Amino acid sequence: EVQLVESGGGLVQPGGSLRLSCAASGFTFSTYNMNWVRQAPGKGLEWVSFITGSSRTKYYADSVKGRFTISRDNAKNSLYLQMNSLRAEDTAVYYCARDQKWELPHYLDCWGQGTLVTVSS
Amino acid sequence: DIVMTQSPDSLAVSLGERATINCKSSQSVLHSSNNKNYLAWYQQKPGQPPKLLIYWASTRESGVPDRFSGSGSGTDFTLTISSLQAEDAALYYCQQYYITPPTFGQGTKVEIK
Repeated sequence: EVQLVESGGGLVQPGGSLRLSCAASGFTFSTYNMNWVRQAPGKGLEWVSFITGSSRTKYYADSVKGRFTISRDNAKNSLYLQMNSLRAEDTAVYYCARDQKWELPHYLDCWGQGTLVTVSS
Repeated sequence: DIVMTQSPDSLAVSLGERATINCKSSQSVLHSSNNKNYLAWYQQKPGQPPKLLIYWASTRESGVPDRFSGSGSGTDFTLTISSLQAEDAALYYCQQYYITPPTFGQGTKVEIK
């Protein structure tokens, strides 16, 4: 069974940092591209970042560029999101989601349950 | 960025009746090289992550009931639930993946009348 489990969310002060993790199982992790997508409370879905299976290509939403860094460790079947200089508007549930195998983001066929990040003083 | 606009924002449909959700993109998401529309649909129930229903505008994901269907091309797309079941009450989102960043519609809430 394909499974994605996020962790690392919590309460952080504005300007602080947090590192999210996503543990993957049930599929050959290294062959799939991965994404982070977020959802602010009561709001819609916002794509955050994308990484290819080899880590060669990464993309970011303008709203997080320069502050967030996506990475992965294929030996550990894990995806990460390092979030720095956090702002109140980054408050959201963060989902990791499996993409397809092309070099650009496509459709997302498996999602984790999400981890809540709250940025507040 | 491509802006995705869904209509209506919400709708209430009786059990067994048809539900239709529209999605319009600010530019065409039809790729001329492969004649595919880079458009997906997702379902999200309260407290749950989104679930992929449809990709390439009309290809049903494995395990998705055949009462869900997608249609359209270019800039105008439709998700149809042919005979609404109680478990279909949810939020529905369209997403384009023609251009990075991928973008989502604002969502359409489907309720049971």
